[in-house]
This record gives sequence, C-alpha cells and structure tokens, in this order.
Amino acid sequence: GENVEQHPSTLSVQEGDSAVIKCTYSDSASNYFPWYKQELGKRPQLIIDIRSNVGEKKDQRIAVTLNKTAKHFSLHITETQPEDSAVYFCALGGAGSYQLTFGKGTKLSVIP
Amino acid sequence: NAGVTQTPKFQVLKTGQSMTLQCAQDMNHNSMYWYRQDPGMGLRLIYYSASEGTTDKGEVPNGYNVSRLNKREFSLRLESAAPSQTSVYFCASSPNAGDSPLHFGNGTRLTVT
Repeated sequence: GENVEQHPSTLSVQEGDSAVIKCTYSDSASNYFPWYKQELGKRPQLIIDIRSNVGEKKDQRIAVTLNKTAKHFSLHITETQPEDSAVYFCALGGAGSYQLTFGKGTKLSVIP
Repeated sequence: NAGVTQTPKFQVLKTGQSMTLQCAQDMNHNSMYWYRQDPGMGLRLIYYSASEGTTDKGEVPNGYNVSRLNKREFSLRLESAAPSQTSVYFCASSPNAGDSPLHFGNGTRLTVT
C-alpha cells in the first residue's frame, strides 16, 4: 500500500517559536492530505487538511503546504503555545484508495 | 450529536478469551474504520467498511473479525485474545472512504494477560 514518512519523530521548541513537521510520500495519485493532533490519552482530532488542487492552507496559527512535484507536505505552527504540545500525525488518501495511510507521528513539546 | 461512541473504555482479558468492541456513529457517515495504536507504531488499520454491507481488511487484520451491523454500527471481535493484541483501539467514521476527514471515538484500552 501507500507509504508515508514523517519527520522528525520528536521536536522540542521554545514557547513562541515556530514548529515544522514534514511528510513525504511516493504515490503521485494521492490527493488528500490531513493532519491530526492527539493530546495525551485523547483521541486524534483533525486540525487541518488540504487537497491536491491547493498549494497552501492556513487556519490562524497553523498552516499546511503541499509540494506535489516533490511529493511532500508540511505542517507549520507559528507562535507555539504549551497547549500545542501533543503528537501530530500526517495522513494521505484519495487516488482510489478507501483508506487513509498515517505517518508514525511527531511528538511536539513546547517549553514554556 | 454524540459523534462516534465506543464501548467499553477499558477491558482486561485473559489469553484465549473473546470479546466484542462496539462502535456507533450518529453523523450518517458511509465509512467506518477500526485502528489500533501501539507506542511508536502510529495508527494501524485493522478493518474498514467503505459503505454499509461491505468490509475489507486493513494492514493488521489477523486475529480480528468485524461486522457492519447497519449504517450506524461497526463492531470489532477478538475471538481468542492474545497478549500481542494489548493496545488502544480506535473506531472512526468518515463521510466517504479515503478522501474525507476521519472522526475518531474516544478509544478502548485493552490489556490481554
């Protein structure tokens, strides 16, 4: 099936700094790219998603960028706050697949 | 509007026992999924149902069976539990399969001794 690699696996930033998480994939037919946030002991929740006809999407302090040529997409969090501390998962889908494929996750720690 | 409801929240089984995890959604979604989550392994798909009346294997189906009882409900059964099935199980649903957002339940923490 489709493969997606997510980096880094852990990330520590100072409060107020930016954080960037990157995912790379191989199937050029993928056309749906969501990001999920999972707080400790909680369920994963969608925070932002993008489709292949768009290069960038923003929602307040978070943004996702997509480079279809290079087959990678990234999550950007600006002005990080302690409540941003969580595990973030990228995923991809579409291309006739009935399922999303998830990255292995990035544990983000925001240090006050 | 409860979203995706999973029961039970916690369960302890002995090796060889059986159990069924229940999942229901009230969003009129077509597709439903069962994932397991283990430390360092991310979310791995066990089984999914793209639409009512269909079920298909995911990445790690061995040792599990599923039933899409109706559009709302999708259950996961462990016939003979093994310690390797100790995990957190999440049910999820989406409007359509593969290219729309997943809505997750709160999870079931299963321990097999």
